[in-house]
Amino acid sequence: DTGVSQDPRHKITKRGQNVTFRCDPISEHNRLYWYRQTLGQGPEFLTYFQNEAQLEKSRLLSDRFSAERPKGSFSTLEIQRTEQGDSAMYLCASSLVETSTDTQYFGPGTRLTVL
Amino acid sequence: AQKVTQAQTEISVVEKEDVTLDCVYETRDTTYYLFWYKQPPSGELVFLIRRNSFDEQNEISGRYSWNFQKSTSSFNFTITASQVVDSAVYFCALSEQENTGFQKLVFGTGTRLLVSP
Repeated sequence: DTGVSQDPRHKITKRGQNVTFRCDPISEHNRLYWYRQTLGQGPEFLTYFQNEAQLEKSRLLSDRFSAERPKGSFSTLEIQRTEQGDSAMYLCASSLVETSTDTQYFGPGTRLTVL
Repeated sequence: AQKVTQAQTEISVVEKEDVTLDCVYETRDTTYYLFWYKQPPSGELVFLIRRNSFDEQNEISGRYSWNFQKSTSSFNFTITASQVVDSAVYFCALSEQENTGFQKLVFGTGTRLLVSP
């Protein structure tokens, strides 16, 4: 049973460029989450999908950020016109909804450095 | 608003010592869930435990144990006989269930545990 995978693991880009990250959740999981983690902080919620529907977005997710989960399987997170403040670890998590709650399992993250 | 406080930024112990990581939370809801995750240097968050607000029983799993006290809004984590492999950043997190069933995790700032041989 494979876990959550993310690609790439590291990305270095110049300010103003666009970047796209991919997340492959655990195969039977129907919920997918994106979080951002800056140095010395805990992860902060960005957005959430149930199957292919994006149901919740944080105010941290500016207009330059867009996320998709086109077929309810893998997801992509795109950042347009990157800024130095976007430098962070971007974490993806997935879960299987149960009757009362679901446990989120995280991938290894994509570390973004914006020069 | 939800809030999780991990007041200990960093703890250093020598192998085989016991160590307790503190977690204090704030929430207005009566139904909520608490979690602990481990983040080793590789960066991946590893799920350790989930506890719901109606279950105050302490839990033990091998060298790990958790103490949940609603009266003090605390969910502390103890590692007994620590090992070098326990070195990591540990995060406590809180989730509340929204009307849509969506659960957002709110994390503390983490406690870095360094276990030296």
